[in-house]
Amino acid sequence: AQSVAQPEDQVNVAEGNPLTVKCTYSVSGNPYLFWYVQYPNRGLQFLLKYITGDNLVKGSYGFEAEFNKSQTSFHLKKPSALVSDSALYFCAVRVDSNYQLIWGAGTKLIIKP
Amino acid sequence: SAVISQKPSRDICQRGTSLTIQCQVDSQVTMMFWYRQQPGQSLTLIATANQGSEATYESGFVIDKFPISRPNLTFSTLTVSNMSPEDSSIYLCSVEVTGKGTDTQYFGPGTRLTVL
Repeated sequence: AQSVAQPEDQVNVAEGNPLTVKCTYSVSGNPYLFWYVQYPNRGLQFLLKYITGDNLVKGSYGFEAEFNKSQTSFHLKKPSALVSDSALYFCAVRVDSNYQLIWGAGTKLIIKP
Repeated sequence: SAVISQKPSRDICQRGTSLTIQCQVDSQVTMMFWYRQQPGQSLTLIATANQGSEATYESGFVIDKFPISRPNLTFSTLTVSNMSPEDSSIYLCSVEVTGKGTDTQYFGPGTRLTVL
């Protein structure tokens, strides 16, 4: 079965420190990987996606993600966390031309001042 | 990208009644999706709505319970019928926008439904 894993339910980071939110996937086929963020009482906002090419993808709000094919991972990173980054983060994958997204369970990111 | 609005943003309904949620997008899109999300949890796809065809429902969701309309390329509705407290959830619509390499889904702000 195709799946996406976000192994941490919650990640706590001090403001100004680097942050990483982990995502691994297991699919048959060519993966396209996405990160979304959901602020409290809001819909999901698209952050970034990996298609092909450069393994380091840059997105909105200073976030970036690194695609690692051998480890089947797509971890979200930011060099210096802000309190306003506190939100729920979702990793998702699309396989080949299939329009459906396979979603991770989400990781709650808490940035403490 | 796309700007998507949903109405209502939230509602409290009585058991046995129905609620229709509207989704409006600012550009013409082929594919629209309806999801359900329990607060703090992941998304579950209810159905895919293409203009001019019947909606395609995922396992566990049926048309009688969640009828969907897609009258044009910028609008869709989802009705939650004969509601029970188990239907209390956040309902999200999304649209697929054609982009470089692969299409991307963009989401509306959601409708928070509470059934008493």
